[in-house]
Amino acid sequence: TQLLEQSPQFLSIQEGENLTVYCNSSSVFSSLQWYRQEPGEGPVLLVTVVTGGEVKKLKRLTFQFGDARKDSSLHITAAQTGDTGLYLCAVNFGNEKLTFGTGTRLTIIP
Amino acid sequence: DAGVTQSPTHLIKTRGQQVTLRCSPKSGHDTVSWYQQALGQGPQFIFQYYEEEERQRGNFPDRFSGHQFPNYSSELNVNALLLGDSALYLCASSGEINYGYTFGSGTRLTVV
Repeated sequence: TQLLEQSPQFLSIQEGENLTVYCNSSSVFSSLQWYRQEPGEGPVLLVTVVTGGEVKKLKRLTFQFGDARKDSSLHITAAQTGDTGLYLCAVNFGNEKLTFGTGTRLTIIP
Repeated sequence: DAGVTQSPTHLIKTRGQQVTLRCSPKSGHDTVSWYQQALGQGPQFIFQYYEEEERQRGNFPDRFSGHQFPNYSSELNVNALLLGDSALYLCASSGEINYGYTFGSGTRLTVV
């Protein structure tokens, strides 16, 4: 079974603080995606990374793909209440289907 | 540009009944995947349809079945509903995997 472990499972921080969440596996990924899901909605794609060591920035969000393509991190600078949600990493292990991680539920406190 | 449309948005069924959920993919997408998401969990893959055939299947019993139509829309059928089938059912469409999936808002199924 190919598993994606995300940490932490829950994170609650004050508005304006920085944070990092992680996605790890023992398997090598061909590509990795990060999604954010808000209550009552489906996940929304934030970014796709495909190259080991790749760093992508989306405004205050910085995504990094591990050199060995087994892990990834998402860093948020100066968190805002609008960043609240469930953050999911997802990978295609080469068999077409997208496998999701366990998720990090982020709460930003005003 | 319409995204993925799912219907109904909410549904309450009695244990033992059967249910059909519907999904219209994003324009230009030909692949439809279905996921089950329990409260507080990540989505779990049920199956994927491409060219009207089931291409991949996750670890779900045969009570879960599906169909894809020539216009790429899809249905998810669940027979003999169990209380544990209560979840958010998400449909996702895609064209090219590296460009990610587009998800619908889901159908919230409650089995009582």
